[in-house]
Amino acid sequence: KQEVTQIPAALSVPEGENLVLNCSFTDSAIYNLQWFRQDPGKGLTSLLLIQSSQREQTSGRLNASLDKSSGRSTLYIAASQPGDSATYLCAVRVAGGSYIPTFGRGTSLIVHP
Amino acid sequence: KAGVTQTPRYLIKTRGQQVTLSCSPISGHRSVSWYQQTPGQGLQFLFEYFSETQRNKGNFPGRFSGRQFSNSRSEMNVSTLELGDSALYLCASSLGGLTYEKLFFGSGTQLSVL
Repeated sequence: KQEVTQIPAALSVPEGENLVLNCSFTDSAIYNLQWFRQDPGKGLTSLLLIQSSQREQTSGRLNASLDKSSGRSTLYIAASQPGDSATYLCAVRVAGGSYIPTFGRGTSLIVHP
Repeated sequence: KAGVTQTPRYLIKTRGQQVTLSCSPISGHRSVSWYQQTPGQGLQFLFEYFSETQRNKGNFPGRFSGRQFSNSRSEMNVSTLELGDSALYLCASSLGGLTYEKLFFGSGTQLSVL
């Protein structure tokens, strides 16, 4: 059974710092991995989707990498801003055609001015 | 292009009642999936519908059911509500329900069971 772990569970940093959020999964035979952000009491906003054949994806100040062999993905946030404060979740889908995503518990990020 | 729309935004019910939640996917998307989010269990998959057929189902009791209409809109029903059903219920849509596609989520329905 796929298990997804996100470390750290919470993070508080001053504005301007470069951040790395981690997502680990136990079954390396994944199909893809998607990063989301969630504001309190709201839905999930898709940030980046990395297919198993890709090593990384970039969008603005965000960069996500994928290392299937080690069962890890990292989300890099450059020059953090208070507006980046949210919970960041990763979700993986296992190869073999299963649609069902497995989510991590998320990293709660606070960026203070 | 409108995003995924969930209604209502908030619901308060009492134990034993039933509730119906609605989800309208992004125009052109034919797959709708439902999730339950609680502080204790995190985000858990409920079920997925494509072309009015349930294709995938998570490990939830039969009190949780859903359906999809010909216009791809979906409803989720929970009967005989329990206190533990209090949660944020999220739906997501994707174009064809294929594994490589992005999931797009709605803002959720916050259900409180008293």
